[in-house]
Amino acid sequence: DTAVSQTPKYLVTQMGNDKSIKCEQNLGHDTMYWYKQDSKKFLKIMFSYNNKELIINETVPNRFSPKSPDKAHLNLHINSLELGDSAVYFCASSQGGGRDTQYFGPGTRLTVL
Amino acid sequence: SQELEQSPQSLIVQEGKNLTINCTSSKTLYGLYWYKQKYGEGLIFLMMLQKGGEEKSHEKITAKLDEKKQQSSLHITASQPSHAGIYLCGANQGAQKLVFGQGTRLTINP
Repeated sequence: DTAVSQTPKYLVTQMGNDKSIKCEQNLGHDTMYWYKQDSKKFLKIMFSYNNKELIINETVPNRFSPKSPDKAHLNLHINSLELGDSAVYFCASSQGGGRDTQYFGPGTRLTVL
Repeated sequence: SQELEQSPQSLIVQEGKNLTINCTSSKTLYGLYWYKQKYGEGLIFLMMLQKGGEEKSHEKITAKLDEKKQQSSLHITASQPSHAGIYLCGANQGAQKLVFGQGTRLTINP
């Protein structure tokens, strides 16, 4: 059974396009996250949502807009894609706040041409 | 803000050998997580340490948090090809925010 799933796994697109990445968790967790891993493998948090409410927004350009239709889903929409957006994007979830362990999805490799 | 430094950045060992990966924090650690990432896959949770001096083991992997809670080590005994991957340490920075080290790429040679 997949715990945290993301679609698509690979995404290749042209500069200027708008794209979305979907994330779903079946763990019953209250909190979900988006992380970005750049070409140097640095993994940095972008957003976190708790029960559909935005908790963390780490100075991410407003071209990135997370949307949480319910607490099991957190989608990432990106407008006007730029070359620098090429990275691997990971979704994660945790039971709640504090030091609850975060469980990660398989990642979405985004390539902007 | 808290920074995590991992060493070494890259490690190549012979199958069957032991190895250690270190993670040093610029601030006191209030929750240290170890994850493993295989190429093209997500992060797999290994262990979480909270208390100074704490040590946890899972199969052939042992993680320790020092008494001062500023450094953690991950030790693999009798390494196997299945241990290959990128190991990441992450620290809880409050408000559910994890900050990660840059990762250690482990290669196991047969």
